[in-house]
Amino acid sequence: DQQVKQNSPSLSVQEGRISILNCDYTNSMFDYFLWYKKYPAEGPTFLISISSIKDKNEDGRFTVFLNKSAKHLSLHIVPSQPGDSAVYFCAASGAGNTGKLIFGQGTTLQVKP
Amino acid sequence: EPEVTQTPSHQVTQMGQEVILRCVPISNHLYFYWYRQILGQKVEFLVSFYNNEISEKSEIFDDQFSVERPDGSNFTLKIRSTKLEDSAMYFCASSAGGYTQYFGPGTRLTVL
Repeated sequence: DQQVKQNSPSLSVQEGRISILNCDYTNSMFDYFLWYKKYPAEGPTFLISISSIKDKNEDGRFTVFLNKSAKHLSLHIVPSQPGDSAVYFCAASGAGNTGKLIFGQGTTLQVKP
Repeated sequence: EPEVTQTPSHQVTQMGQEVILRCVPISNHLYFYWYRQILGQKVEFLVSFYNNEISEKSEIFDDQFSVERPDGSNFTLKIRSTKLEDSAMYFCASSAGGYTQYFGPGTRLTVL
C-alpha cells in the first residue's frame, strides 16, 4: 500500500538554509494532509497541516504547499536550525473518514551547524 | 500542555504470551487510535475507536488483537498470543474530532 510516498529517505542542509521535504500521494479522496516530526525514541509530534481546499499554509518557519493536480505536497523550513534534525513524516487523511492517517516512509533531515 | 501517555515504555515477552499495552489519551479527546512501526518501516494504522466501539481496523488487526476503554481514562491494546512479527513500536494517538491526532511516546514491544 503505497498511497503516500516520500521518495527521499534523507536530506542534509546547512543551518540557516531552506529545507524542502517532499511527499506524493495517489488517492484523490484524501482531503487533509499533515506533517509530523519524530525524534528517536519518541512519538510523532504534529507540526503543520493543510486542507485540500488550500494550496498553502504557513506557521512560523514552516510552510506546507499543496499541488492537488500533481498530488504533491512539500514542507519548507526556513531558516533551518540544528534542532530541526529529525525524521519528518507526511500523512494523509480523509479516505473513509474514520480519521485513519496513512503515513509516508519518512525523510531524515539533518541540519548541520 | 496535555499529552498522550503510554505504559510501559518497553515490553519484552515470549512468543505466544499475551500483552496489554496501555495508553492514557488527552482527557477531552473522543477518538482513539493505535498505530505501529516495525523497525525501518513506515507508521501503520491498526485501529480507530470511537464511542466505545471500533470504527475501522486494518488487515493487520486480526483476531489476536483487541482494544478496550475500560474506564474514562485508559485505552488498551491487547495482543492475545504474540508472534515474532509483532515486535514493533506501538503508538497510541487521540484526537478531539478534527484531523489532527496527537501521539504518545510509544511502547517498544519485543517478542522473543
